[in-house]
Amino acid sequence: KNQVEQSPQSLIILEGKNCTLQCNYTVSPFSNLRWYKQDTGRGPVSLTIMTFSENTKSNGRYTATLDADTKQSSLHITASQLSDSASYICVVSLMNNNAGNMLTFGGGTRLMVKP
Amino acid sequence: DARVTQTPRHKVTEMGQEVTMRCQPILGHNTVFWYRQTMMQGLELLAYFRNRAPLDDSGMPKDRFSAEMPDATLATLKIQPSEPRDSAVYFCASGLGQVYSNQPQHFGDGTRLSIL
Repeated sequence: KNQVEQSPQSLIILEGKNCTLQCNYTVSPFSNLRWYKQDTGRGPVSLTIMTFSENTKSNGRYTATLDADTKQSSLHITASQLSDSASYICVVSLMNNNAGNMLTFGGGTRLMVKP
Repeated sequence: DARVTQTPRHKVTEMGQEVTMRCQPILGHNTVFWYRQTMMQGLELLAYFRNRAPLDDSGMPKDRFSAEMPDATLATLKIQPSEPRDSAVYFCASGLGQVYSNQPQHFGDGTRLSIL
């Protein structure tokens, strides 16, 4: 069964500190892995998209890594800001196999950055 | 800055009523997605269209849900009849690639639906 597990479920850090969020998946065949940031009451915003061959991708203070062998990804946030407080969602896409359920979603990590 | 626009932002109605949610994708995007988000289930893909043609609606309850794209600037998601378990936030997203492509999807801010 295709699954995406995110950890931790929630995290509180102090402003200025770094943090790392984890995403483990069992999706196969794998197409790509996306990280989204979702502010309360808003739609998700794409942070990074990584394919099988990519190990790391950055978007400002956000850096995502991917290990396709162990089926693990992480999202590292550097020098956190209050505006980083949000939910972070990991989504894994299946290769096109004419089947349904082509996206598998993680349950998200809720991050709170405190002053 | 181009955005996906969803209307209404909030909808409260009684069980059994028809609900229509609308989405205006970003101009030039040829793929439109409908998602549902609840506290219990998280995000789920309901359906998506490419060049206005439905490609996959396997995530959508067929008996009461229908999705259409009458033109390139409007996508609709209808629920008839609505039930309390349909209460959720419904998101529309648009992009330039299929669901498994490496193109980013741009989300609207959702319709928060409450069925009493």
